[in-house]
Amino acid sequence: AQSVTQLDSHVSVSEGTPVLLRCNYSSSYSPSLFWYVQHPNKGLQLLLKYTSAATLVKGINGFEAEFKKSETSFHLTKPSAHMSDAAEYFCVVSDDPDKLIFGTGTRLQVFP
Amino acid sequence: EAGVVQSPRYKIIEKKQPVAFWCNPISGHNTLYWYLQNLGQGPELLIRYENEEAVDDSQLPKDRFSAERLKGVDSTLKIQPAELGDSAVYLCASSTRAGVSSYNEQFFGPGTRLTVL
Repeated sequence: AQSVTQLDSHVSVSEGTPVLLRCNYSSSYSPSLFWYVQHPNKGLQLLLKYTSAATLVKGINGFEAEFKKSETSFHLTKPSAHMSDAAEYFCVVSDDPDKLIFGTGTRLQVFP
Repeated sequence: EAGVVQSPRYKIIEKKQPVAFWCNPISGHNTLYWYLQNLGQGPELLIRYENEEAVDDSQLPKDRFSAERLKGVDSTLKIQPAELGDSAVYLCASSTRAGVSSYNEQFFGPGTRLTVL
């Protein structure tokens, strides 16, 4: 069975400082992994995806994530936070293109 | 290009009343999904359509929930009767279907926030 654990329910950073959102996964197969972002009153938006190509994945808005099989992790990072990054972030695992298993989310707050 | 459209955006009803949610997917997307998102949780799949056929409804509580996708475009999700525990956000998503084993990005609508009193 697949599952994903987001290690922090809330993360607070100051604008201009690095962002780290942690995600660990469990899967019997070689999974696909994703990060989605959800801004208030807006639909979930795909930030980036890992589908067994390069382990360091670059996404939109300066975000990137590194797939580490030995650690079963897929942490999301950004070198410098912007106020507009404040949102809910979901780590997602899938071994079936039509079945996404979402984590419980991490709320990112960015202070000026 | 317009995204996934959902209506209403908010709905407040009393328990035991019926409620319906509507979704218009992105034009040309033949796969449509309904998700349930409880407060503080990630979305969970309720049902998936390929064109007008419900190909995965294993997580849909069929005693009170029903869905349809007439003509393989718009879809409606219904709850009858609603219970207090149904208060949540109902999300619709759509994607193309390029191949069985390839990943096709799911595009999500803004959701309908249901409150059952």
